Amino acid sequence: DGGITQSPKYLFRKEGQNVTLSCEQNLNHDAMYWYRQDPGQGLRLIYYSQIVNDFQKGDIAEGYSVSREKKESFPLTVTSAQKNPTAFYLCASSRGGSNNEQFFGPGTRLTVL
Amino acid sequence: AQKVTQAQTEISVVEKEDVTLDCVYETRDTTYYLFWYKQPPSGELVFLIRRNSFDEQNEISGRYSWNFQKSTSSFNFTITASQVVDSAVYFCALSEASNNDMRFGAGTRLTVKP
Repeated sequence: DGGITQSPKYLFRKEGQNVTLSCEQNLNHDAMYWYRQDPGQGLRLIYYSQIVNDFQKGDIAEGYSVSREKKESFPLTVTSAQKNPTAFYLCASSRGGSNNEQFFGPGTRLTVL
Repeated sequence: AQKVTQAQTEISVVEKEDVTLDCVYETRDTTYYLFWYKQPPSGELVFLIRRNSFDEQNEISGRYSWNFQKSTSSFNFTITASQVVDSAVYFCALSEASNNDMRFGAGTRLTVKP
């Protein structure tokens, strides 16, 4: 089954701790993306990567970090520097380019206590 | 930068009613792409349709239809004879050829009551 997996579905962390969200795809897509979704605000781009070992900041990259060591994987670390990390995080992938649709994972709901 | 506006925050209809979700966009590019996604309660966004800026032909897919009008910078989505399973948040998005940045609207929450 081709698709995007994100784990875990729900994640709880104490304030001040870093946490890494997993995103894996087996669609052989070149591009991968991380979005944050808050109620009533739609999706905001955190980071994206068009190829392995390369990534760019989106609109709200502060307090987050990513890596792209493998084509299939694009983990997101929410650092303690992120002031308001509680949110729903969505990972997506595409064939790349602005004309291709993105395919989304099921999301991870992060709650920082 | 491009911008997408979905002015309707929430819409509630009764089953079998028709409903139109509005999407207005802003861009300076002549080549761009418009998308609609559905987000059911499970949370995963599902791709519905893509339109490029040179193709203003309206599209129908079953109960779904899309009306793209460049003159008004709109890409509206109509569901005919709505069903309870259509209840979801619907997002309109815009991607410009000059960058790889897809911008999403704030979404419209559609509730279809039986």
